[in-house]
Parts: sequence; C-alpha cells; structure tokens
Amino acid sequence: GENVEQHPSTLSVQEGDSAVIKCTYSDSASNYFPWYKQELGKRPQLIIDIRSNVGEKKDQRIAVTLNKTAKHFSLHITETQPEDSAVYFCAADTGTASKLTFGTGTRLQVTL
Amino acid sequence: GAVVSQHPSWVICKSGTSVKIECRSLDFQATTMFWYRQFPKQSLMLMATSNEGSKATYEQGVEKDKFLINHASLTLSTLTVTSAHPEDSSFYICSANRGWNTEAFFGQGTRLTVV
Repeated sequence: GENVEQHPSTLSVQEGDSAVIKCTYSDSASNYFPWYKQELGKRPQLIIDIRSNVGEKKDQRIAVTLNKTAKHFSLHITETQPEDSAVYFCAADTGTASKLTFGTGTRLQVTL
Repeated sequence: GAVVSQHPSWVICKSGTSVKIECRSLDFQATTMFWYRQFPKQSLMLMATSNEGSKATYEQGVEKDKFLINHASLTLSTLTVTSAHPEDSSFYICSANRGWNTEAFFGQGTRLTVV
C-alpha cells in the first residue's frame, strides 16, 4: 500500500517568513495530492491540492510543487501570519478508491 | 463546498458499552464514506471504507467486529464502537467525496472518551 512520509514534524518561523513542508510517497499510481490544515480539535480543511499531470499550483500565499519522478511534493507558504499556525497534513490518493493516505503531520508555529 | 455532518461531536461512555457515531452527507449522495481515527498529536489513520448497500472494507489491524459500520443509505454511514475500552478513546472522523479522486470533505469529528 501507499506510504507517505512528511518532514519536518515541527516548524517555527517568524511572521512574514516562508515555510516549506515536504512529503514523499511510495506508490507511483498515486495521482492526487491534497494538503490539509487542521486546528486543534477541528476537522481537516483542504488548503490546496495538485494532480499528477501538473507540476505546480499556486493560490495566493500558498503553493504546491510535485515531482513525479522523485515521488515528492512540497507545500510552500509565503508571508506567514500567526493564523497560519496549525498542523498541516499532506496526503496521497491512488485514485482507485479515493482512499487517502496521510503524512505524519507538521506543526507550524508562526511567531510575532 | 459540500457539507459532511458528524454526530455527536463528543461522547463519554462507560467501559463495556457501545457508542454509535453518525456521518451524513448533507448536499450530495455518497456511495462511499471513509472512517478515520486520530490519536492525540498523531495523523489520521484510515480505519475502514463504508460502502452503501454492501459490507465495509476494513484496513489491516482494524477489528471489524469491534467497529461496526453500516451504510444503509446514500447519505448516512454509522460507526458503532462496541464494548468500548479506554484504549478506544480517540478522535473519530468521517469523510466523503463527491466523486472518485476528488476533494474529501470531512465531518466535524467525534471525540470519544471511554471511562
């Protein structure tokens, strides 16, 4: 089955700096890669996603890049703000059953 | 976006009792729903795939007789934790997709505490 690794587990940045979170996956059949933000005790919220036919996608301060050959994808948050503080999860979906395999999560702390 | 509603949002039960959690897709039909478990400071782990009108598919290591799943309609899946024990205390969360390989919409989650 699919295995998704995520790094770093914690990340502290100053407000205004950029944050980068990286994930690798094992199943070359995976073709959909969403990123979720989860605040304590809340449901995961989709912040951006990318499909395997695209190498990069951007939505305002958030961007995701995908390298299919290397089987890794990254989340980039620019101009970080305190409200970006949360746990971020990457995930991979092989598309055969819409089953998501999640990474281990990154706790992002944006300090003033 | 699509709405998935989960109930209850939290529940406390005594050891040995059973608890039922409901997951509803409010504005779309879902032939498949997914149940996850999340322990504190950990990731979401898929427990099972709920299939409308047929048996659920359980992930390796998940006891199907302990975690009963029923998907009787296109908008409702239920997870029953039977004979709950303190180690079953966790955050249970469901999800559903409008279609294959599309965005997953999550319920609010259910915080289960077994005492």
